[in-house]
Amino acid sequence: SAVISQKPSRDICQRGTSLTIQCQVDSQVTMMFWYRQQPGQSLTLIATANQGSEATYESGFVIDKFPISRPNLTFSTLTVSNMSPEDSSIYLCSALLGQSLRGTFGSGTRLTVV
Amino acid sequence: AQKVTQAQTEISVVEKEDVTLDCVYETRDTTYYLFWYKQPPSGELVFLIRRNSFDEQNEISGRYSWNFQKSTSSFNFTITASQVVDSAVYFCALSEAREYGQNFVFGPGTRLSVLP
Repeated sequence: SAVISQKPSRDICQRGTSLTIQCQVDSQVTMMFWYRQQPGQSLTLIATANQGSEATYESGFVIDKFPISRPNLTFSTLTVSNMSPEDSSIYLCSALLGQSLRGTFGSGTRLTVV
Repeated sequence: AQKVTQAQTEISVVEKEDVTLDCVYETRDTTYYLFWYKQPPSGELVFLIRRNSFDEQNEISGRYSWNFQKSTSSFNFTITASQVVDSAVYFCALSEAREYGQNFVFGPGTRLSVLP
């Protein structure tokens, strides 16, 4: 099964700055997904990233705050812009592998905004 | 709308006890997939099982077993002879087909603590 590498694994950032999270899959995948997990909460889908098209955002998430890139079939980035302490969360990327629908997740990025 | 409910927020058991984690889901789709994931303190999500809506056979994998019942929209997870290493947050998730791919809807999670 595919392996997803995500970095950074954790970061502490100043309010008002931006952080870009990278997600690398070791095989080509059609769909990649970005999730947010706020402290003590479940996972919430931020957006779906397709190669060659704009990301599709879920209700409550906007491109200006969470711009996403998907330059090829193995890589995606999520930027958390103009951060505030409320953005402190774990951010996870995920990919579906063809028809397997297994839903493989990266190891997550633990973000703390101070 | 799709929804996943895990009514048990936290469970504590003593090592070697059996424990069942409940999951109830809502969906209007006839084709869907149910998952269980484990999230240890390290934060990564570990895939445990996937079930499609047409396969109601129960499954056993070592100390883990799953009971899928469409009649009650439930997909419960049992750990037999629990161990301290089973301590984690467990998420049940539902995946439906959407125009632009698949989407996971996660339950709120159940935090399992296995005490020595």
